[in-house]
Amino acid sequence: GAVVSQHPSRVICKSGTSVKIECRSLDFQATTMFWYRQFPKQSLMLMATSNEGSKATYEQGVEKDKFLINHASLTLSTLTVTSAHPEDSSFYICSARDLRQGAWGYTFGSGTRLTVV
Amino acid sequence: QKEVEQDPGPLSVPEGAIVSLNCTYSNSAFQYFMWYRQYSRKGPELLMYTYSSGNKEDGRFTAQVDKSSKYISLFIRDSQPSDSATYLCAMSAETGGFKTIFGAGTRLFVKA
Repeated sequence: GAVVSQHPSRVICKSGTSVKIECRSLDFQATTMFWYRQFPKQSLMLMATSNEGSKATYEQGVEKDKFLINHASLTLSTLTVTSAHPEDSSFYICSARDLRQGAWGYTFGSGTRLTVV
Repeated sequence: QKEVEQDPGPLSVPEGAIVSLNCTYSNSAFQYFMWYRQYSRKGPELLMYTYSSGNKEDGRFTAQVDKSSKYISLFIRDSQPSDSATYLCAMSAETGGFKTIFGAGTRLFVKA
Protein backbone atom coordinates (compact mmCIF):
# COMPACT_ATOMS: atom_id res chain seq x y z
CA GLY A 1 0.00 0.00 0.00
CA ALA A 2 0.86 3.66 -0.20
CA VAL A 3 3.42 4.88 2.34
CA VAL A 4 4.01 8.43 3.50
CA SER A 5 7.12 9.23 5.49
CA GLN A 6 7.20 12.29 7.73
CA HIS A 7 10.33 13.61 9.37
CA PRO A 8 11.23 14.48 12.05
CA SER A 9 8.82 12.71 14.37
CA ARG A 10 9.67 15.00 17.24
CA VAL A 11 11.42 18.37 17.42
CA ILE A 12 12.10 20.87 20.17
CA CYS A 13 13.15 24.36 19.16
CA LYS A 14 13.74 27.70 20.76
CA SER A 15 11.26 30.52 20.40
CA GLY A 16 12.05 32.65 17.36
CA THR A 17 13.73 29.93 15.34
CA SER A 18 12.36 28.14 12.27
CA VAL A 19 11.61 24.46 11.89
CA LYS A 20 11.20 22.44 8.70
CA ILE A 21 9.07 19.32 8.49
CA GLU A 22 9.32 16.98 5.51
CA CYS A 23 6.62 14.79 4.03
CA ARG A 24 7.55 12.20 1.41
CA SER A 25 5.43 9.79 -0.59
CA LEU A 26 7.64 6.71 -0.83
CA ASP A 27 6.00 4.53 -3.45
CA PHE A 28 3.72 6.84 -5.38
CA GLN A 29 3.67 10.29 -6.84
CA ALA A 30 1.56 12.85 -5.05
CA THR A 31 0.53 15.95 -6.93
CA THR A 32 -1.40 17.03 -3.87
CA MET A 33 -0.41 16.84 -0.22
CA PHE A 34 -2.19 18.18 2.83
CA TRP A 35 -0.92 19.60 6.08
CA TYR A 36 -2.92 19.27 9.27
CA ARG A 37 -2.52 20.46 12.80
CA GLN A 38 -3.87 18.59 15.78
CA PHE A 39 -4.12 19.89 19.32
CA PRO A 40 -4.40 17.42 22.22
CA LYS A 41 -7.74 15.63 22.29
CA GLN A 42 -8.92 17.56 19.24
CA SER A 43 -9.48 16.68 15.64
CA LEU A 44 -7.30 17.27 12.65
CA MET A 45 -7.53 20.77 11.30
CA LEU A 46 -6.56 21.28 7.70
CA MET A 47 -3.98 24.05 7.41
CA ALA A 48 -3.19 24.03 3.73
CA THR A 49 -3.25 22.07 0.52
CA SER A 50 0.12 21.72 -1.13
CA ASN A 51 0.16 21.48 -4.92
CA GLU A 52 3.24 20.33 -6.81
CA GLY A 53 4.73 23.13 -8.83
CA SER A 54 2.35 25.82 -7.64
CA LYS A 55 1.48 27.84 -4.58
CA ALA A 56 -0.17 26.19 -1.63
CA THR A 57 -3.78 26.92 -0.79
CA TYR A 58 -4.19 27.97 2.81
CA GLU A 59 -7.30 27.57 4.94
CA GLN A 60 -8.92 30.61 6.45
CA GLY A 61 -7.07 31.84 9.50
CA VAL A 62 -3.76 30.16 8.66
CA GLU A 63 -0.88 32.60 8.23
CA LYS A 64 0.85 31.78 4.96
CA ASP A 65 3.92 33.79 5.91
CA LYS A 66 4.31 31.85 9.12
CA PHE A 67 3.67 28.38 7.72
CA LEU A 68 5.66 28.17 4.50
CA ILE A 69 4.83 25.25 2.26
CA ASN A 70 6.96 24.06 -0.63
CA HIS A 71 6.02 21.19 -2.93
CA ALA A 72 9.01 21.11 -5.23
CA SER A 73 8.65 17.54 -6.47
CA LEU A 74 5.97 14.87 -6.89
CA THR A 75 7.20 13.06 -3.79
CA LEU A 76 8.17 15.81 -1.36
CA SER A 77 6.37 18.60 0.43
CA THR A 78 7.85 20.64 3.26
CA LEU A 79 6.25 22.76 5.94
CA THR A 80 8.43 25.40 7.56
CA VAL A 81 7.22 27.01 10.76
CA THR A 82 8.94 30.38 10.77
CA SER A 83 9.75 32.39 13.90
CA ALA A 84 8.14 29.71 16.03
CA HIS A 85 6.45 30.62 19.29
CA PRO A 86 5.18 28.42 22.13
CA GLU A 87 1.62 28.66 20.79
CA ASP A 88 2.83 26.91 17.63
CA SER A 89 3.56 23.81 19.69
CA SER A 90 1.33 21.11 18.27
CA PHE A 91 1.18 17.84 16.38
CA TYR A 92 1.58 18.39 12.64
CA ILE A 93 0.52 15.68 10.22
CA CYS A 94 0.81 15.49 6.46
CA SER A 95 -1.30 13.48 4.09
CA ALA A 96 -0.75 12.58 0.47
CA ARG A 97 -3.22 11.35 -2.08
CA ASP A 98 -2.44 8.29 -4.16
CA LEU A 99 -4.59 8.74 -7.24
CA ARG A 100 -4.42 5.02 -7.98
CA GLN A 101 -6.74 4.50 -5.01
CA GLY A 102 -9.34 7.03 -6.08
CA ALA A 103 -11.27 8.92 -3.43
CA TRP A 104 -9.88 6.71 -0.68
CA GLY A 105 -6.27 7.25 -1.52
CA TYR A 106 -5.31 9.50 1.39
CA THR A 107 -2.41 8.21 3.42
CA PHE A 108 -1.14 9.98 6.48
CA GLY A 109 2.38 10.43 7.75
CA SER A 110 3.21 9.49 11.32
CA GLY A 111 3.17 13.11 12.45
CA THR A 112 5.65 15.56 13.94
CA ARG A 113 5.35 16.75 17.50
CA LEU A 114 6.70 20.28 17.68
CA THR A 115 7.54 21.81 21.03
CA VAL A 116 8.64 25.44 21.12
CA VAL A 117 10.37 26.49 24.32
CA GLN B 1 -22.54 24.32 14.04
CA LYS B 2 -19.63 22.14 12.98
CA GLU B 3 -19.91 20.31 9.67
CA VAL B 4 -19.15 17.03 11.40
CA GLU B 5 -20.08 16.27 14.99
CA GLN B 6 -18.54 13.43 16.94
CA ASP B 7 -18.66 12.74 20.66
CA PRO B 8 -15.06 12.84 21.92
CA GLY B 9 -15.76 10.37 24.73
CA PRO B 10 -13.86 8.79 26.30
CA LEU B 11 -15.70 5.53 25.85
CA SER B 12 -14.63 2.67 28.09
CA VAL B 13 -15.86 -0.88 27.47
CA PRO B 14 -14.89 -4.37 28.67
CA GLU B 15 -13.10 -6.73 26.34
CA GLY B 16 -15.51 -8.57 24.07
CA ALA B 17 -18.14 -5.82 24.06
CA ILE B 18 -19.75 -4.42 20.95
CA VAL B 19 -18.70 -0.83 20.41
CA SER B 20 -20.80 1.72 18.57
CA LEU B 21 -19.19 4.95 17.36
CA ASN B 22 -21.21 7.63 15.61
CA CYS B 23 -21.01 10.88 13.74
CA THR B 24 -23.57 13.31 12.41
CA TYR B 25 -23.01 15.81 9.66
CA SER B 26 -24.75 18.77 8.11
CA ASN B 27 -23.49 18.89 4.51
CA SER B 28 -25.75 16.78 2.32
CA ALA B 29 -23.14 16.86 -0.47
CA PHE B 30 -20.87 14.44 1.39
CA GLN B 31 -20.59 11.19 -0.54
CA TYR B 32 -17.46 9.53 0.77
CA PHE B 33 -17.37 8.41 4.36
CA MET B 34 -14.34 7.11 6.20
CA TRP B 35 -13.28 5.93 9.60
CA TYR B 36 -9.70 6.38 10.73
CA ARG B 37 -7.98 4.88 13.73
CA GLN B 38 -5.30 6.90 15.45
CA TYR B 39 -3.02 5.55 18.12
CA SER B 40 -1.36 7.97 20.50
CA ARG B 41 1.27 10.18 18.85
CA LYS B 42 0.77 8.54 15.46
CA GLY B 43 -0.86 9.58 12.23
CA PRO B 44 -4.36 8.29 11.45
CA GLU B 45 -4.73 5.10 9.44
CA LEU B 46 -7.71 4.36 7.22
CA LEU B 47 -9.89 1.68 8.77
CA MET B 48 -13.08 1.59 6.75
CA TYR B 49 -14.62 3.53 3.91
CA THR B 50 -18.01 3.60 2.24
CA TYR B 51 -19.56 5.47 -0.62
CA SER B 52 -23.05 6.95 -0.22
CA SER B 53 -25.54 5.01 1.92
CA GLY B 54 -25.38 1.43 3.04
CA ASN B 55 -23.37 -0.98 5.10
CA LYS B 56 -19.89 -2.38 4.73
CA GLU B 57 -18.38 -5.16 6.78
CA ASP B 58 -14.72 -6.06 7.23
CA GLY B 59 -13.93 -8.64 9.85
CA ARG B 60 -15.01 -7.33 13.24
CA PHE B 61 -15.79 -3.87 11.84
CA THR B 62 -19.02 -2.68 10.23
CA ALA B 63 -19.54 0.79 8.82
CA GLN B 64 -23.04 2.14 8.24
CA VAL B 65 -24.14 5.29 6.44
CA ASP B 66 -27.64 6.75 6.60
CA LYS B 67 -27.62 9.74 4.29
CA SER B 68 -31.27 10.54 4.94
CA SER B 69 -30.45 11.11 8.60
CA LYS B 70 -26.93 12.41 7.94
CA TYR B 71 -25.63 9.82 10.37
CA ILE B 72 -22.78 7.37 10.14
CA SER B 73 -21.71 4.60 12.49
CA LEU B 74 -18.83 2.24 13.09
CA PHE B 75 -19.45 -0.97 14.99
CA ILE B 76 -16.67 -3.04 16.48
CA ARG B 77 -17.58 -6.58 17.50
CA ASP B 78 -15.67 -8.62 20.07
CA SER B 79 -13.61 -5.58 21.01
CA GLN B 80 -10.02 -6.18 22.03
CA PRO B 81 -7.60 -4.12 24.15
CA SER B 82 -5.64 -3.51 20.95
CA ASP B 83 -8.67 -1.62 19.62
CA SER B 84 -8.01 1.08 22.22
CA ALA B 85 -7.36 4.20 20.15
CA THR B 86 -9.03 7.34 18.92
CA TYR B 87 -11.47 6.80 16.08
CA LEU B 88 -12.10 9.66 13.73
CA CYS B 89 -14.90 9.83 11.23
CA ALA B 90 -14.20 11.74 8.04
CA MET B 91 -16.13 12.64 4.96
CA SER B 92 -15.69 14.39 1.67
CA ALA B 93 -17.49 15.36 -1.49
CA GLU B 94 -16.40 15.47 -5.10
CA THR B 95 -17.94 18.93 -5.38
CA GLY B 96 -15.60 20.08 -2.62
CA GLY B 97 -12.56 18.74 -4.38
CA PHE B 98 -12.50 15.81 -1.98
CA LYS B 99 -11.53 18.11 0.86
CA THR B 100 -11.76 15.83 3.87
CA ILE B 101 -13.55 17.05 6.98
CA PHE B 102 -12.81 15.19 10.19
CA GLY B 103 -14.84 14.66 13.31
CA ALA B 104 -13.25 15.41 16.67
CA GLY B 105 -12.48 11.74 17.27
CA THR B 106 -13.78 9.40 19.97
CA ARG B 107 -11.28 7.98 22.43
CA LEU B 108 -11.98 4.31 23.03
CA PHE B 109 -10.58 2.24 25.87
CA VAL B 110 -11.12 -1.53 25.86
CA LYS B 111 -10.36 -3.03 29.24
CA ALA B 112 -8.96 -6.55 29.50
